[in-house]
Amino acid sequence: DTAVSQTPKYLVTQMGNDKSIKCEQNLGHDTMYWYKQDSKKFLKIMFSYNNKELIINETVPNRFSPKSPDKAHLNLHINSLELGDSAVYFCASSQDSGGFQEWRGGSGGQYFGPGTRLTVT
Amino acid sequence: KQEVTQIPAALSVPEGENLVLNCSFTDSAIYNLQWFRQDPGKGLTSLLLIQSSQREQTSGRLNASLDKSSGRSTLYIAASQPGDSATYLCAVNSGGYQKVTFGTGTKLQVIP
Repeated sequence: DTAVSQTPKYLVTQMGNDKSIKCEQNLGHDTMYWYKQDSKKFLKIMFSYNNKELIINETVPNRFSPKSPDKAHLNLHINSLELGDSAVYFCASSQDSGGFQEWRGGSGGQYFGPGTRLTVT
Repeated sequence: KQEVTQIPAALSVPEGENLVLNCSFTDSAIYNLQWFRQDPGKGLTSLLLIQSSQREQTSGRLNASLDKSSGRSTLYIAASQPGDSATYLCAVNSGGYQKVTFGTGTKLQVIP
């Protein structure tokens, strides 16, 4: 059984288009994340959602918007795609205890999806 | 701001050797540290998770240690095999608001 899944695996699109990447986890985790891995293989967190609340929004352009219809899904929408958006995007999830105020961020570790390779031409 | 450094950036060893990968972080106030491997074109596979209260974790031929005071973690791989060839990443979780910072990775090649 796949723990964290992403679709599509590959996405090739032209500049200016709007696209979405879907992520689902069946681990019952309450926090989900999106990461971007650039051409130099450096992973950087973009967003995390805990109980449908956005916890972090790093210095990410507002063209990127995470949407979480429920605890098991965190989709990434990207508007007006640019060449620099080309990267591999990873979804991840974790389970946190103690509620939001005591949230310690993935106390059980993070589980990653297989990644979506986005190429903008 | 947490900064995570992994040394060396690349490592090539003959099969059977024991090896150590290093991870350094600048802010010792962490909740946990996680080691991953990433195969080319693939996602991340979690190897070991060390909570801030722990000193080490072991799984098979892998042993990870954590020294918070010095801001260091090591991943020890015993009797390396060609199948261990991959990029190894450490991730430091250092905030109440889920500040997970990844290192730049160590690319390991085990030569048969």
